[in-house]
Amino acid sequence: EDQVTQSPEALRLQEGESSSLNCSYTVSGLRGLFWYRQDPGKGPEFLFTLYSAGEEKEKERLKATLTKKESFLHITAPKPEDSATYLCAVQVSSNTGKLIFGQGTTLQVKP
Amino acid sequence: DAGITQSPRYKITETGRQVTLMCHQTWSHSYMFWYRQDLGHGLRLIYYSAAADITDKGEVPDGYVVSRSKTENFPLTLESATRSQTSVYFCASRTRDNSYEQYFGPGTRLTVT
Repeated sequence: EDQVTQSPEALRLQEGESSSLNCSYTVSGLRGLFWYRQDPGKGPEFLFTLYSAGEEKEKERLKATLTKKESFLHITAPKPEDSATYLCAVQVSSNTGKLIFGQGTTLQVKP
Repeated sequence: DAGITQSPRYKITETGRQVTLMCHQTWSHSYMFWYRQDLGHGLRLIYYSAAADITDKGEVPDGYVVSRSKTENFPLTLESATRSQTSVYFCASRTRDNSYEQYFGPGTRLTVT
């Protein structure tokens, strides 16, 4: 069964304290791995797509990496505005475009 | 404004009533999706559509009906609402190309009493 697991469930950081969020997956065939940011009361906002092991993408303080079994979202010197829930999703080998989501990591960055 | 919109944003209904959630996108995306988001379950796919008049079930379709007569609209109907359908519902869309990333609407918070 295709599965996506994110850890930790919640993470508290001080402003400037770098850390990483993990997304591990067990799928039959990976076509893409996606990271989203979700603020309270809003829909998920697309951040990155990673397609193959070794690939990296960066946006401001965020950097996403991908291996054959997991992805990391590295947050460098976070600011309070980075506080949100970060969702990971995988696209398995299919033409339908269905995504399988993990349950998310809720990040709180304190000033 | 271009993008994906949902209406209503908040809805309270009673058990047994029919309710329709609306989703509209202005990108002319081929694919559209309906998800529900619940604590402990994350985002789960209810139904999706590859094009007008083409729909298919997702992970949790029971109790829901969809239609897609126009590319830009994808309404979700709860035929006889139950308390277990209290949730936040998100609509999403994507293009037909191989990028696969989906873009989400702002959500509808539905409470069934």
